[in-house]
Amino acid sequence: GQQVMQIPQYQHVQEGEDFTTYCNSSTTLSNIQWYKQRPGGHPVFLIQLVKSGEVKKQKRLTFQFGEAKKNSSLHITATQTTDVGTYFCAGRPGNQFYFGTGTSLTVIP
Amino acid sequence: NAGVTQTPKFQVLKTGQSMTLQCAQDMNHEYMSWYRQDPGMGLRLIHYSVGAGITDQGEVPNGYNVSRSTTEDFPLRLLSAAPSQTSVYFCASSLLDSPLHFGNGTRLTVT
Repeated sequence: GQQVMQIPQYQHVQEGEDFTTYCNSSTTLSNIQWYKQRPGGHPVFLIQLVKSGEVKKQKRLTFQFGEAKKNSSLHITATQTTDVGTYFCAGRPGNQFYFGTGTSLTVIP
Repeated sequence: NAGVTQTPKFQVLKTGQSMTLQCAQDMNHEYMSWYRQDPGMGLRLIHYSVGAGITDQGEVPNGYNVSRSTTEDFPLRLLSAAPSQTSVYFCASSLLDSPLHFGNGTRLTVT
């Protein structure tokens, strides 16, 4: 079954509001990656987290890796219409990349 | 530098037909994989390979075969297509422990 769960499945926000998606794994991960998929496109890599408790920022995006290396979050501050898409986390308990179910973000202008 | 190339982009099959989805990468990546994407299910791993001559099953391998005779190519074979295999298929590759590079996808419909 699905080893990496992601919530929420859908999120609608007004432009300027914040957005957070959460990723939880049933097993300890060696690293976690985040991807963004625009409608009709393919997933594109955003960032990789490796260390327990790691926090990384990319402009308005903040990524966290949990202390136990089993969960992660992506937070977007002051969303813009360009943030529209589906955000996936992907964890590696071994050689395989397991993707979360994704969070589809809609930004209402 | 083409990256990851998938063909075809679209395909319609009848139940019981077989076909091969092609995937090629020119980045000398050891790791290659196939995913299927269905609404509400995210990306589910079908098969993967960590190098030429090595393949392994992912989460949903039934009904699919793969081979990795070269570093560059990783074809996915549907042996006898079923309507449940209607999906969008993505091939992805990477260096080990590095981010995945995805192809543009193949939209498959089985009637």
